[in-house]
Amino acid sequence: RKEVEQDPGPFNVPEGATVAFNCTYSNSASQSFFWYRQDCRKEPKLLMSVYSSGNEDGRFTAQLNRASQYISLLIRDSKLSDSATYLCVVNGVGATNKLIFGTGTLLAVQP
Amino acid sequence: EPEVTQTPSHQVTQMGQEVILRCVPISNHLYFYWYRQILGQKVEFLVSFYNNEISEKSEIFDDQFSVERPDGSNFTLKIRSTKLEDSAMYFCAGMPGQGDGANVLTFGAGSRLTVL
Repeated sequence: RKEVEQDPGPFNVPEGATVAFNCTYSNSASQSFFWYRQDCRKEPKLLMSVYSSGNEDGRFTAQLNRASQYISLLIRDSKLSDSATYLCVVNGVGATNKLIFGTGTLLAVQP
Repeated sequence: EPEVTQTPSHQVTQMGQEVILRCVPISNHLYFYWYRQILGQKVEFLVSFYNNEISEKSEIFDDQFSVERPDGSNFTLKIRSTKLEDSAMYFCAGMPGQGDGANVLTFGAGSRLTVL
């Protein structure tokens, strides 16, 4: 099983749609979870951290299910500017606290 | 807002040549990383650096790679003898390691390496 697994997409949705991305991780000892956003040929940028109780930031909602080792990201009322690759990121195990990236899910919001 | 600065933004080199990629991390970060991303593929961990030494490295980070923090400010990645398959975007990143956002990675804009 891959350390962090995501549906690669692409997800093609119209403006205003609600879209959900899923991610699974293999290491049950992982403690830190994030969603990053990466625009084409740019660096990844933090979108939001994911907390055990779930958290929301505007149109974005992240959920964590530790029992299933599953993370989700929901984007409501999609905008054209949301078009990007969404990266699920989980910390590895070890003193360095390296972060492990999924392959990313490509979102294309259509006018 | 503080940022991670990387140079060069793009380097083209011949196979077998040495390349040094440079990074200036955010000053209060304690952990430093190099990641790479081959075009169309995922972001891969190369190496982490803490307290002036390598703390962890991946299988990719073989003897051809080395990292240094020569002056307490710059953080460099050296590839001794480049191969075609080293062509990728190399991202420097830092992590505070304490306080709010302790585990959040902040990336530089990347250095694109093209090996011919």
